[in-house]
Amino acid sequence: DAGVTQSPTHLIKTRGQQVTLRCSPKSGHDTVSWYQQALGQGPQFIFQYYEEEERQRGNFPDRFSGHQFPNYSSELNVNALLLGDSALYLCASSLEQGNTEAFFGQGTRLTVV
Amino acid sequence: DAKTTQPNSMESNEEEPVHLPCNHSTISGTDYIHWYRQLPSQGPEYVIHGLTSNVNNRMASLAIAEDRKSSTLILHRATLRDAAVYYCILRGPWLRGATNKLIFGTGTLLAVQP
Repeated sequence: DAGVTQSPTHLIKTRGQQVTLRCSPKSGHDTVSWYQQALGQGPQFIFQYYEEEERQRGNFPDRFSGHQFPNYSSELNVNALLLGDSALYLCASSLEQGNTEAFFGQGTRLTVV
Repeated sequence: DAKTTQPNSMESNEEEPVHLPCNHSTISGTDYIHWYRQLPSQGPEYVIHGLTSNVNNRMASLAIAEDRKSSTLILHRATLRDAAVYYCILRGPWLRGATNKLIFGTGTLLAVQP
């Protein structure tokens, strides 16, 4: 079992550009959540996808959007990048049912210059 | 969302037990106490969770105070690989349609000395 895989691992973008990050959940998991982790901080919840729909969003602007595909994989898109978007972006997968553990990928390190 | 308070950092010696405290005085009766840890350059990983009774698994033990206002994560014999940031998180019960997201604080940075 490959666990949660994210791509790419590192990315450098210029202010104003757009970026797409990808996540494949752990086998059998149907729910994907995205988190942003700034340096020295704990991860902050961006949004969660289940059944291809965004279920809840954290305190992030509309520049952050996402998608979930029928195979449960997911994408995070960020438009009009700002320097402050530089962070580690983490994907977590889980089962919708039950208070079960979330499995995290190793993250995508995004640097905006 | 109920909040947790943890020390910013702790130190331990290798092969000694480590007790990581967490205060959650506003915990509700249905909140579960979850612990995750994040090793350097990795995503967080689940450690353990409990509701009222103490819990043990292969990684750690969780001791929950009788009034549930605090808990302690116990690593029985710390190794160098246990050096990580440990997060104590309160999570509500599963409800159909609910997000049940994880709300992370800044956690406790555990340093393990050889």
